[in-house]
Amino acid sequence: DTGVSQDPRHKITKRGQNVTFRCDPISEHNRLYWYRQTLGQGPEFLTYFQNEAQLEKSRLLSDRFSAERPKGSFSTLEIQRTEQGDSAMYLCASSSGPFYGYTFGSGTRLTVV
Amino acid sequence: AQTVTQSQPEMSVQEAETVTLSCTYDTSESDYYLFWYKQPPSRQMILVIRQEAYKQQNATENRFSVNFQKAAKSFSLKISDSQLGDAAMYFCACIQGGSEKLVFGKGTKLTVNP
Repeated sequence: DTGVSQDPRHKITKRGQNVTFRCDPISEHNRLYWYRQTLGQGPEFLTYFQNEAQLEKSRLLSDRFSAERPKGSFSTLEIQRTEQGDSAMYLCASSSGPFYGYTFGSGTRLTVV
Repeated sequence: AQTVTQSQPEMSVQEAETVTLSCTYDTSESDYYLFWYKQPPSRQMILVIRQEAYKQQNATENRFSVNFQKAAKSFSLKISDSQLGDAAMYFCACIQGGSEKLVFGKGTKLTVNP
């Protein structure tokens, strides 16, 4: 198992463009999480999937954000009409249960110019 | 709502010495778990150690140990025999029973001096 993979590692986009990130979790993990981390801050929860069902979304996740996990495998996070405030590191994590702790990916660093 | 506070934005330690990173938390639940994560400059978050709230015994993982003071809602991390590879951001985090949401503190940047 290669751990949690995220693609791309870096993304630079112009304001107003749409971007999509991909996360491949550890295959045995049925839970998948998206977090956002800005400079000097701890990660903030965005959303959570158990298998293919999106069970919780943060109020941070505006209508411009959408996440999917078709077939309970990989997940995508799309941001529409990007704004400069969306610039951050987007972290994906997976787990077989929250109390075991999460395994994080390396993240996708988004820069909106 | 649960909160996690790390009052030390930065700490430094000499190689081979011991350092303690502080963390306090607040939760209304009696069932919760606490974690310390390490985030090296490469940015991948790594689980260092976990503690179940119902266990009185402090967790240890090799050179890493915690001091869990439940009444004080304190959860500090002690790193013994510090190594250059321990240099990283360290995040304290808490998850309440019945929730899937891990709540992080703002982190402590640890520098290890040779």
